Amino acid sequence: AQTVTQSQPEMSVQEAETVTLSCTYDTSENNYYLFWYKQPPSRQMILVIRQEAYKQQNATENRFSVNFQKAAKSFSLKISDSQLGDTAMYFCAFMNAGNMLTFGGGTRLMVKP
Amino acid sequence: NAGVTQTPKFQVLKTGQSMTLQCAQDMNHEYMSWYRQDPGMGLRLIHYSVGAGITDQGEVPNGYNVSRSTTEDFPLRLLSAAPSQTSVYFCASSLTSVRTDTQYFGPGTRLTVL
Repeated sequence: AQTVTQSQPEMSVQEAETVTLSCTYDTSENNYYLFWYKQPPSRQMILVIRQEAYKQQNATENRFSVNFQKAAKSFSLKISDSQLGDTAMYFCAFMNAGNMLTFGGGTRLMVKP
Repeated sequence: NAGVTQTPKFQVLKTGQSMTLQCAQDMNHEYMSWYRQDPGMGLRLIHYSVGAGITDQGEVPNGYNVSRSTTEDFPLRLLSAAPSQTSVYFCASSLTSVRTDTQYFGPGTRLTVL
């Protein structure tokens, strides 16, 4: 079974600054997908970024980028130029070969003006 | 497109009651799934379906039933509600496999079992 660990329950950052959210996972599989989801107060889950394990290049989506370290089983999310609208819960998730998605416990991010 | 819709948004049940949480999508997605989210925890997969007529169990299936008679609808049934099923429930869908397609989540249903 896979496990996903987010060691930072809460974080805060000043508007316009950069913040990094940590995620580690444990798996014996070699082919998998990793995701970061954002859950604002509206509770809707929004896909932020996705990384295929077989790709060495780190995924990037505008202000969001990841640092994928496959050997270390680490998948951190960097948010640049933080905006007030980035305030939300962020979940790291792992997708195995059987299409089952496992989520971490989440990190609550507060962007301060 | 309305995307993924869930009804009701809120529900209070007494122990032993039954109910169905509705989920529908209008994007012709083959893959649909149900998750529950408990305080301080990430989402956990209850059941999923890779197409009409096909369902399978996820991580926490006990106490829940599903069926997929149409591509659009994927209802979740609680046959005899228990307080341990108090949670927020999310339905999600993707075009085909979640591994390659963006997964769209509904707004969630907050269920309280007394």
